[in-house]
Amino acid sequence: DSGVTQTPKHLITATGQRVTLRCSPRSGDLSVYWYQQSLDQGLQFLIQYYNGEERAKGNILERFSAQQFPDLHSELNLSSLELGDSALYFCASSADRGDEKLFFGSGTQLSVL
Amino acid sequence: GESVGLHLPTLSVQEGDNSIINCAYSNSASDYFIWYKQESGKGPQFIIDIRSNMDKRQGQRVTVLLNKTVKHLSLQIAATQPGDSAVYFCAEISDYGQNFVFGPGTRLSVLP
Repeated sequence: DSGVTQTPKHLITATGQRVTLRCSPRSGDLSVYWYQQSLDQGLQFLIQYYNGEERAKGNILERFSAQQFPDLHSELNLSSLELGDSALYFCASSADRGDEKLFFGSGTQLSVL
Repeated sequence: GESVGLHLPTLSVQEGDNSIINCAYSNSASDYFIWYKQESGKGPQFIIDIRSNMDKRQGQRVTVLLNKTVKHLSLQIAATQPGDSAVYFCAEISDYGQNFVFGPGTRLSVLP
């Protein structure tokens, strides 16, 4: 168990809908990262937050947004969903400076029908 | 961190043999490297790491080798077991952890 919790584990929705994925980082970790992984693909970096503020942005679509709350949990919002958004979405956390390891949650499997 | 999405290369080995998974990294300023293992339906798990001031590090049945001259990283798994079947990702880290880049991944299949 990595200590990173993601909910829900599975999500089935329809095109055009909006969903929210939730992540609780490891206790004490200030950084949260979101990754997208399509079937048999690598890990596509979406966005990183550090202590409530956006730190880095990757290939995140404008239809997607995220935030990190004062209690350090994070949410990834996906809107106007398309079939191609079906993927595994991972959250990872790290303690940041001095310990750069990322610890991953078990992911949310999103299926857009 | 970011990675390029590609169809995964596959390495097939016989159970009991040694496995070598390779990774080429791109940033000569990367000073920290990690190997992750991802089993089907799970998130990537940390296996072993190495700093750029080292060229070899050993764990339990795993060894990571770093060749900075050619920017190459490898993961060696001794006496490969069925439970080692997974996708393996290398990651290069720079800028005190602010730049985290994953490799495309290699699928390891262990044959009985």
